[in-house]
Amino acid sequence: QSALTQPPSASGSPGQSVTISCTGTNSDVGGHNFVSWYQHHPGKAPKLMVYEVNKRPSGVPDRFSASKSGNTASLTVSGLQAEDEANYYCSSYAGNNAWVFGGGTELTVL
Amino acid sequence: QVQLVQSGAEVKKPGASVRVSCKTSGYTFTDYFIHWVRQAPGQGLEWMGRTNPYSGGTNYAQRFQGSVTMTRDTSISTAYMELTSLTSDDTAMYYCARVPGGYAYHFDNWGQGTLVTVSS
Repeated sequence: QSALTQPPSASGSPGQSVTISCTGTNSDVGGHNFVSWYQHHPGKAPKLMVYEVNKRPSGVPDRFSASKSGNTASLTVSGLQAEDEANYYCSSYAGNNAWVFGGGTELTVL
Repeated sequence: QVQLVQSGAEVKKPGASVRVSCKTSGYTFTDYFIHWVRQAPGQGLEWMGRTNPYSGGTNYAQRFQGSVTMTRDTSISTAYMELTSLTSDDTAMYYCARVPGGYAYHFDNWGQGTLVTVSS
């Protein structure tokens, strides 16, 4: 499986919104509603932020929202805060008991 | 609370093997799949495979077929990932992560990571 495509970087000022895209194929993102998003601060374990396209685990602020259209999933962070600065990765089930991740997007809060 | 605690950093020579452990607590070990994900320096996350702690069954990413073995010891709620014939390209942080059993496909808890360095 090829990695999902994410922009390498994104940025926004505090309070603004930023959207990160994640593009796959009919075999992964487009074929299953099992896209998830992870926040990764360097040196720490990744943290689940969204699962099954648009569901937030308990404790994740509602500033984080996500959606999917066709082969592209998106994560939107609204009301940017300094602590949102991190790397964000999308992941999708790819069928046949396999998973695939995106290349990651480094989010900078200006 | 749920915890996945991984073994410490390893330094290996090319051609050697490495085994990383992932000791779990705070939940029923056999109710969740354990997956292994790695991150090479400056790169993104890469899915390696998974093990079913209940049955011992495994699924591996195509590129790791033949070089990785994932096992578990239910008596101590611990999963293992062994990678053989190491090269410098295997230098990476290795994470274990759990996925709920049944109809779920997301990684809801992760280990802290184990740095494996391959160097002559």
